[in-house]
Amino acid sequence: EAQVTQNPRYLITVTGKKLTVTCSQNMNHEYMSWYRQDPGLGLRQIYYSMNVEVTDKGDVPEGYKVSRKEKRNFPLILESPSPNQTSLYFCASRPQLANTEAFFGQGTRLTVV
Amino acid sequence: EDQVTQSPEALRLQEGESSSLNCSYTVSGLRGLFWYRQDPGKGPEFLFTLYSAGEEKEKERLKATLTKKESFLHITAPKPEDSATYLCAVQARRDDKIIFGKGTRLHILP
Repeated sequence: EAQVTQNPRYLITVTGKKLTVTCSQNMNHEYMSWYRQDPGLGLRQIYYSMNVEVTDKGDVPEGYKVSRKEKRNFPLILESPSPNQTSLYFCASRPQLANTEAFFGQGTRLTVV
Repeated sequence: EDQVTQSPEALRLQEGESSSLNCSYTVSGLRGLFWYRQDPGKGPEFLFTLYSAGEEKEKERLKATLTKKESFLHITAPKPEDSATYLCAVQARRDDKIIFGKGTRLHILP
């Protein structure tokens, strides 16, 4: 089954404690991205990657890091989480073709206290 | 600046009461417009892609249409299971970025 898998689904952590949210896709897609979704603000792109070893900032990259060492994986790293990073996070992937929709993971609900 | 505006923010309908959701967009050359459905706490689920003005797509009780400035998602005789947030997104020609609207929360009452 084609899917984007995120882990964990839920996470509560304390300010400053480094964490990683993993994302894996099994569709051989070149393009992967991370979004955060907040009430009243919609989906905002954090980082994206057009292929292995190629990453770039989205609209709200501050406080986040990513890496793309393998095509299937695109982890999101919060080096020093803060309460304003409490949000619902989604990983997405799609082929590197124009006019294609994104496939989303099930989401990670992160709470930073 | 590329922008997507959805209206209304929320809509409550009786079962069987047809209506339309609006997505207005401003983009420098539209590559594609997407509609997604999102259930609470879950990832968006793809519904339709529209490429050019005049195009229409249908799926069960849903029909999406596109003009040069907006798209409509028509819901015919909705059922309670159609309750969800519906997201509109656009992709510009100049890059691969997908820009999302804030969504319309649809609630169908039995």
